[in-house]
Amino acid sequence: QVLVVQSGAEVRKPGASVKVSCKTSGYIFSAYYIHVLRQAPGQGFEWMGVINPGGNTKYYSQKFQGRVTITRDTSTSTVYVNVSDLRSEDSGLYYCARGGRSPSGVWDYWGQGTLVTVSS
Amino acid sequence: QSALTQPPSASGSPGQSVTISCTGTSSDIGGYDFVSWYQHHPGKAPRLMIFEVTKRPSGVPDRFSGSKSDNTASLTVSELQAEDEADYYCSSYAGRNTVVLGGGTKLTVL
Repeated sequence: QVLVVQSGAEVRKPGASVKVSCKTSGYIFSAYYIHVLRQAPGQGFEWMGVINPGGNTKYYSQKFQGRVTITRDTSTSTVYVNVSDLRSEDSGLYYCARGGRSPSGVWDYWGQGTLVTVSS
Repeated sequence: QSALTQPPSASGSPGQSVTISCTGTSSDIGGYDFVSWYQHHPGKAPRLMIFEVTKRPSGVPDRFSGSKSDNTASLTVSELQAEDEADYYCSSYAGRNTVVLGGGTKLTVL
């Protein structure tokens, strides 16, 4: 079955970086886009960006451009999300979600979420 | 502030129908037939309920239906059941390989 398993919770100080991993299995990794979203405490979801694991193209929300980098390792079918220059408002649950064969945003399988806490 | 506008709350009694709206612009909802709806029970991963405006993934009850008119998409839940109580989010492709979401609607089954 399709699985997206994310790395565990992280605590960082303001100004630091964090790298979340999303290991996928159960399907052809290169055939489906992986999207990254986050949910701040008590808030809705925000779309951060997307990667096409096959072609290694990436697209980011303008809000996160420059601070978020999405990469992939095809040998382990894993996507990585790096967020730099962390601020308190970056605290929240970060999700990887499998999209379709285009970046249109149909998320059929989700990871369990990774809690990132930014606190001094 | 979310790019797509949803009412913060909606409610209905068991057996009734409720419709949740999601308003965007001609650059997102109005420009593409790539609207999706997600059900989210806090503490769990979101579940895809509707994609491409009207399509239901396998396993989603046909009590859930989607539609779109101009820049507004809607999710209708018929024959409300207690388990439908959750947060619902809409999303839309917005061109240039980007996606936008609504702020979410908390559905309460009275």
